[in-house]
Amino acid sequence: AQSVTQPDIHITVSEGASLELRCNYSYGATPYLFWYVQSPGQGLQLLLKYFSGDTLVQGIKGFEAEFKRSQSSFNLRKPSVHWSDAAEYFCAVDAYSGAGSYQLTFGKGTKLSVIP
Amino acid sequence: DTAVSQTPKYLVTQMGNDKSIKCEQNLGHDTMYWYKQDSKKFLKIMFSYNNKELIINETVPNRFSPKSPDKAHLNLHINSLELGDSAVYFCASSQVSGSSADTQYFGPGTRLTVL
Repeated sequence: AQSVTQPDIHITVSEGASLELRCNYSYGATPYLFWYVQSPGQGLQLLLKYFSGDTLVQGIKGFEAEFKRSQSSFNLRKPSVHWSDAAEYFCAVDAYSGAGSYQLTFGKGTKLSVIP
Repeated sequence: DTAVSQTPKYLVTQMGNDKSIKCEQNLGHDTMYWYKQDSKKFLKIMFSYNNKELIINETVPNRFSPKSPDKAHLNLHINSLELGDSAVYFCASSQVSGSSADTQYFGPGTRLTVL
């Protein structure tokens, strides 16, 4: 079965610093990968996704992620963090679950705190 | 315009009660989902429906029963509520199940508190 690991439970960065959130997945076939962000008390917003093609994908709010098949990773990056980026970030893999359907499996999330 | 909406946003109730959470999407999607997010923020799928038919039914107690009157609505009814049911429940939708290239769009969540 597929799984997603986000090794960092909580990361704190200073405003203006660069950011990298790690995500590793386990899936036997070509994965379809997503990063979602959840602000406090809010729902999940899609930041970016990887389906195929260019392994470096651009998303909203200045985020990007790079798919590395050899490392089974899909790390999220941002060159300069803003205070409004403080939130919970979830990596997810969309994988075949049988009976012609696909299922989104989430990592446990990384909480990002930003120091002004 | 709200793409995926849920009502209510907050729900506080006593153990043993029966409650429902409603979800509606105006994206024209074929597939809808319910997820549970526990107190540690872990998100896990509960159900998915495609064109009003149940596709995914994870190991969820029988007290949870999804109902899809049409493809734009997926309601979640919970019988005999227990303390452990306290969580945030998210509804989501995507275009078609069966294509792994579908993006799921999430509602704002319903925070259920069972006392």
